Amino acid sequence: DVVMTQSPLSLPVTLGQPASISCRSSQSLVYSDGNTFLSWFQQRPGQSPRRLIYQVSKRDSGVPDRFSGSGSGTDFTLKISRVEAEDVGVYYCMQGTHWPTFGQGTKVEIK
Amino acid sequence: EVQLVESGGGLVQPGGSLRLSCAASEFTFSRYAMNWVRQIPAKGLEWVAKIKQDGSEMNYVDSVKGRFTISRDNAKNSLYLHMSSLRAEDTAIYYCVSSLGTYWGQGTLVTVSS
Repeated sequence: DVVMTQSPLSLPVTLGQPASISCRSSQSLVYSDGNTFLSWFQQRPGQSPRRLIYQVSKRDSGVPDRFSGSGSGTDFTLKISRVEAEDVGVYYCMQGTHWPTFGQGTKVEIK
Repeated sequence: EVQLVESGGGLVQPGGSLRLSCAASEFTFSRYAMNWVRQIPAKGLEWVAKIKQDGSEMNYVDSVKGRFTISRDNAKNSLYLHMSSLRAEDTAIYYCVSSLGTYWGQGTLVTVSS
């Protein structure tokens, strides 16, 4: 299985400041058709996960533009340009190029 | 608004069986591959099973192969997961999920314990 490794696992942030989460895969996530199936999910306390980003950098409908994704191959990043209180939760990266697997999760909290 | 509503979870003894259901609405169900993803409470996520749009192909994570069966009924906009020979380590919240995570249900808790 493809192992997804996130860092950091805990991220205390100040409101209004940027935040960044890294995700690395144990194998290339480039599919045979040239697409890269790397997604980011947000899970707020007590809620189901919600997809924010798919195919590395495409934002899902309704996702604020302060969220952005980047990367290629095996290294990927989720950035929040200015953290708001509603962004508190756990963030997961997930690859769907091979059998889908998730990272361990990064807990974002307000300092 | 798209809705995926799971049901069928509960407490079951080790070695027992359970069938989960997922009802989809406001959603062209037959156009989407569907999946079951589980989460041990307060822990990580694991993709359990997936099924193609027409039900022609199913795949499973190694830990449930031979014990779980995913199926769907496109006429009823429904997804199912039949779980047998349940183990303590199958205890989790089970989510019904479309495609590669586009939509998620609220989850149903399965507890395997004597």
